[in-house]
Amino acid sequence: SYEVTQAPSVSVSPGQTASVTCSGDKLDKKYTSWYQQRPGQSPTVVIYQNNKRPSGIPERFSASKSGNTATLTISGTQAVDEADYYCQAWDDSDGVFGPGTTVTVL
Amino acid sequence: QVQLVQSGPEVKKPGASVKISCMTSGYIFTDYAIHWVRQAPGQGLEWMGWINLDNGKTRFSQNFQGRATLTRDTSASTVYMDLRSLRSDDTAVYYCARRTGYYYDFWGQGTLVTVSS
Repeated sequence: SYEVTQAPSVSVSPGQTASVTCSGDKLDKKYTSWYQQRPGQSPTVVIYQNNKRPSGIPERFSASKSGNTATLTISGTQAVDEADYYCQAWDDSDGVFGPGTTVTVL
Repeated sequence: QVQLVQSGPEVKKPGASVKISCMTSGYIFTDYAIHWVRQAPGQGLEWMGWINLDNGKTRFSQNFQGRATLTRDTSASTVYMDLRSLRSDDTAVYYCARRTGYYYDFWGQGTLVTVSS
């Protein structure tokens, strides 16, 4: 079955840039989404279709893809951005989630 | 507004079954598929399967084939997820989520299922 990988954790100072990466075979051919999950809450999408930001998501969230690696970038990271972030791709009609990256704002 | 409201927490013994509901509102029920995702304590998101609400067809992750069933009640705009032969490692929060295009735009609040003897 298809898999994507993520680093377990990323630390960032307030105001700095956090980068969260997601890698998978042929990921360049698949739409990638990114979800934010705060403790005790349901996930919410912050990026869909590789690099689109839903309404209501701050402009500091952006994403890109290079080859088989997708990157979520949080510019000017704020304390409120501390959360788990999951990338998600599609294997045909099956959803596949990465293992998640905990972003800690120190 | 779009809402997905799930049923309450469940406590089950090993070997039992659980049925969780996901009641939708605020949109045309049959226009969007509903997917199910679970999250064990302290773990990541695990995709389980989905149901086409127009024709009732379902598809599951290999991890759940033969043990999970998804059904719908169109008149009640509700989807049901049935998981059988529960084990302790099925203890998790179970989410329903609406798929739009290539992502999930709305999620239920989650249902905690605890499997313990």
